[in-house]
Parts: sequence; structure tokens; C-alpha cells
Amino acid sequence: QQQVKQSPQSLIVQKGGISIINCAYENTAFDYFPWYQQFPGKGPALLIAIRPDVSEKKEGRFTISFNKSAKQFSLHIMDSQPGDSATYFCAASNPGTYKYIFGTGTRLKVLA
Amino acid sequence: KAGVTQTPRYLIKTRGQQVTLSCSPISGHRSVSWYQQTPGQGLQFLFEYFSETQRNKGNFPGRFSGRQFSNSRSEMNVSTLELGDSALYLCASSWDRGEGYTFGSGTRLTVV
Repeated sequence: QQQVKQSPQSLIVQKGGISIINCAYENTAFDYFPWYQQFPGKGPALLIAIRPDVSEKKEGRFTISFNKSAKQFSLHIMDSQPGDSATYFCAASNPGTYKYIFGTGTRLKVLA
Repeated sequence: KAGVTQTPRYLIKTRGQQVTLSCSPISGHRSVSWYQQTPGQGLQFLFEYFSETQRNKGNFPGRFSGRQFSNSRSEMNVSTLELGDSALYLCASSWDRGEGYTFGSGTRLTVV
């Protein structure tokens, strides 16, 4: 019940296209859902985060869509660029636990 | 504004030895978390500290321990190293609420 399932494992998108990464969870107590971007040799960097009371949040080219009833959330990267090529992780957190449960990661490659 | 600083960046140790990793959080951040990242298990929570108190601990053996100092700097220690402890160890800091964690670049530990 503590798992966060992430798909796809890898994704190849043409420059200018839309990249979509999906995550699903079981634990309805989760109340904070961040997305992180990680480049080789670096730590994960926070991209965008959402709470269950909001169905969508947009920051620049990055959008989180949240479906509370389906217990799913997704990251959309609009106008994908080669510089977006990285590994993306979704995560979820229970209030008061101070820890993230991470998805398994999606390796995104954007072709020039 | 300086980010999360982890030292050393790389470390090679022999089985049976012990190791101490250091983390300096962003100035003003009082919550420090540690994660282990491996290709097989992904990102796994080790422990979280706030005001020198451990508030949560992941499912790791007692060989893994940590502490936090009054200036919020944190260390983690792994005793009796095993080959399976080879991983990227990531430190993250936050103000307090257990969200919005900023990660450091990690310490790459190799056990031979």
C-alpha cells in the first residue's frame, strides 16, 4: 500500500512534442505529490508538486494532472526540449511522516 | 544561496569498514533527510532529522545510523560495510513541513 507505481520506464519524444509520465498510488492518506528531475551525476531537483485538493497545477512547460478518485497523477512536459532529457521521479508523502515514497523513475530522451 | 552540500562526493571502502557521510543543509532549513539510491531499489528513505531528533526511520538495518547537530548539519554512518551498500547516498533539506525537499548531489559510495 506504500508503493507508488510509475510508468513508462523509458520514453522517447521528438523535440516539441508532449512527454507524459504517469504514477498511481494506493494509500489514500498521501497528501503531497512532488515530481523530481534528475540528471546524471546530480541529485534530484524538485520540478513541481501538488496536493489532492487541486486537479491540475501548471508551472511553465510542466503540468501535473491529479485524479483523486482514480488515485493517479501525471506529469506533462509541453514543447519537450533535448535539455529535458533526464530521469523523472514521482513521489508521495503522508502527513507527519517526513518521508517520500518514490516511483521507480522514467528515463526521458528528447530527440533533437 | 548555497544548496545542500554533501561531502565527500566519492568514496571507496572495503567490506567490513565503516564510513561517515556529511551533509550541510540550505541555510535556515532544519529538516534533513537521507535517501539511498541504487539501480535495483531506486530511491529509498533512510531517516529524517529535525532539531537533532530523528522523527522517522526507514527499513534499513541498524548498521545505518545518523545524527543531526545543533547547526542542522547532519551525518550518516554505515558500519560493517557490505558490497550491497554500494549506492548513491542523497541528503535533502527542507524548512520543516516534510515537503519541498532540496537534494544535494550525493555521495557515491563504492564498497569493494
